[in-house]
Amino acid sequence: NAGVTQTPKFRILKIGQSMTLQCTQDMNHNYMYWYRQDPGMGLKLIYYSVGAGITDKGEVPNGYNVSRSTTEDFPLRLELAAPSQTSVYFCASSYGSGGSNQPQHFGDGTRLSIL
Amino acid sequence: TQLLEQSPQFLSIQEGENLTVYCNSSSVFSSLQWYRQEPGEGPVLLVTVVTGGEVKKLKRLTFQFGDARKDSSLHITAAQPGDTGLYLCAGARDKLVFGAGTILRVKS
Repeated sequence: NAGVTQTPKFRILKIGQSMTLQCTQDMNHNYMYWYRQDPGMGLKLIYYSVGAGITDKGEVPNGYNVSRSTTEDFPLRLELAAPSQTSVYFCASSYGSGGSNQPQHFGDGTRLSIL
Repeated sequence: TQLLEQSPQFLSIQEGENLTVYCNSSSVFSSLQWYRQEPGEGPVLLVTVVTGGEVKKLKRLTFQFGDARKDSSLHITAAQPGDTGLYLCAGARDKLVFGAGTILRVKS
């Protein structure tokens, strides 16, 4: 089973460039999430979606945008990349909401460096 | 400021030793999840505890949810090198809130 698939796995960007991190899931989950993980800081929620066509900001949304045109896909867009956006990005999905007891299923991450 | 405080941040022990990881908050959660993450991979759920005072066992791992549903602990008995990884607790409110994690290294 594929689960949650993220591409690319690694990327180096120059300051000011833009890119899209791709995320797709094949579990028919309504809920999808984007997190960033920095050393010693745990996972911080960037954006989330409760279903196709519906997105909302998380804890650290500045500098990012998302869209959810289908149940399966939840891309994360970085506009005008900045060094502070150097991080490991994780996409996750779940059957129920983050406040429920449902587990979140994570992709393997995208390691992004902004130079 | 972390809503969920995990301690210790880093733990390096010898194979066969016991250890406990703590996850504390001043907030009440509807449930508490524990994840394990290996290098280059995403977190994977180990267990969910829901009821205050609940204890769950997963082989050599014992998870406990505090009576007031504000804290949790993970105890590993006779740690093995395969237990090495990053352990994350996550509290469920309207969204899932993650602790900063505990890096565990078990040396053979």
